[in-house]
Amino acid sequence: EADIYQTPRYLVIGTGKKITLECSQTMGHDKMYWYQQDPGMELHLIHYSYGVNSTEKGDLSSESTVSRIRTEHFPLTLESARPSHTSQYLCASSETGDTNTEAFFGQGTRLTVV
Amino acid sequence: AQTVTQSQPEMSVQEAETVTLSCTYDTSESDYYLFWYKQPPSRQMILVIRQEAYKQQNATENRFSVNFQKAAKSFSLKISDSQLGDAAMYFCAYRSRVGAQKLVFGQGTRLTINP
Repeated sequence: EADIYQTPRYLVIGTGKKITLECSQTMGHDKMYWYQQDPGMELHLIHYSYGVNSTEKGDLSSESTVSRIRTEHFPLTLESARPSHTSQYLCASSETGDTNTEAFFGQGTRLTVV
Repeated sequence: AQTVTQSQPEMSVQEAETVTLSCTYDTSESDYYLFWYKQPPSRQMILVIRQEAYKQQNATENRFSVNFQKAAKSFSLKISDSQLGDAAMYFCAYRSRVGAQKLVFGQGTRLTINP
């Protein structure tokens, strides 16, 4: 299995709460990504990072924010959760360059906002 | 921006038979990578096979092979001798070779294997 971990696996939280989804990888990858996976299973890129202190928004607008203070850690934060944020969130990482192009995925966090 | 399209939301196949999943993409780039990923129920997404656009030879990995048609921007996945463990969501994905190198996914195809 890939060395990329997401916690928690499942989270049920009330509207208005602040939450942080954790993602850590031990492979030393520069690139990290957050995807939102809707009930129809389609994946939408919401954030990505090239490396420490480098983050950019993805193709799908999201109210979440991310930070990349350490190479191995890429947490995603929602300041005020809403029911519309209910979804599965997948974290991934990959190397920079052409040698190993594969992206490795965590097991996902299934978030339910009630 | 690059887009990836999978036009088959669901496919089913008899065990031991062959099935082909379709994928088309749109890009103005000439150099890129294409992937097929598999997401089994409640399990991690894993790579099935990858193709470098500069290689004309189609990639193969055991029972999995691709038909890469660069001019047509088509990238289909063939699974031979289907097994029950092949049941999963399959995603086609595109990654640029330069620049942002974001991984862009198609909508996914749910594959069911009938025993």
